[in-house]
Amino acid sequence: DTGVSQDPRHKITKRGQNVTFRCDPISEHNRLYWYRQTLGQGPEFLTYFQNEAQLEKSRLLSDRFSAERPKGSFSTLEIQRTEQGDSAMYLCASSFGQATNEKLFFGSGTQLSVL
Amino acid sequence: AQSVTQLGSHVSVSEGALVLLRCNYSSSVPPYLFWYVQYPNQGLQLLLKYTTGATLVKGINGFEAEFKKSETSFHLTKPSAHMSDAAEYFCAVSEGSGGSNYKLTFGKGTLLTVNP
Repeated sequence: DTGVSQDPRHKITKRGQNVTFRCDPISEHNRLYWYRQTLGQGPEFLTYFQNEAQLEKSRLLSDRFSAERPKGSFSTLEIQRTEQGDSAMYLCASSFGQATNEKLFFGSGTQLSVL
Repeated sequence: AQSVTQLGSHVSVSEGALVLLRCNYSSSVPPYLFWYVQYPNQGLQLLLKYTTGATLVKGINGFEAEFKKSETSFHLTKPSAHMSDAAEYFCAVSEGSGGSNYKLTFGKGTLLTVNP
């Protein structure tokens, strides 16, 4: 169990630029989640994949955001035309199984700063 | 819709003292409840969870929490604080069986400081 890996750890970008983050879940995990955490707040749900299918997207995920999970393995989260309000920690988590109470394993996150 | 309220954004205790972190939730369906801990520069780690059954739940590192439906609470306790417990703690709720149980709603977190 190598844990959930996220890359990069930190990203600084200028407003209007596009950014892409990567998440590598624990290898046998079929569920993958993206959350966003801003300063002083708890994580907020963004989207959820079961295998390669994106099953739910939060209203927080505007049209500028897109997430993919090709082949049900790693996932990418892209933000187009970044805005200062996008500055946050982006967290990825994964879990295994169909059970309703399986444990989520979180990565250390990607800290995005939009200047 | 679900929500979580954590009373106290910052709690400070002395080493060896009781730790009590408060969490109240709102849910229109029977909830699943969780406590996660976040150490600096690390990912969130599950401490304990309540789904069904026994309302007193024991977790890792000596922590426990009790689900009280009548009070809509899920407070986290530890009898004796250790310096290594210093971290940020998040309470979370999800819809239980039959609902969107994969989606967690988190509280704002409580930063625990342990003084020597």
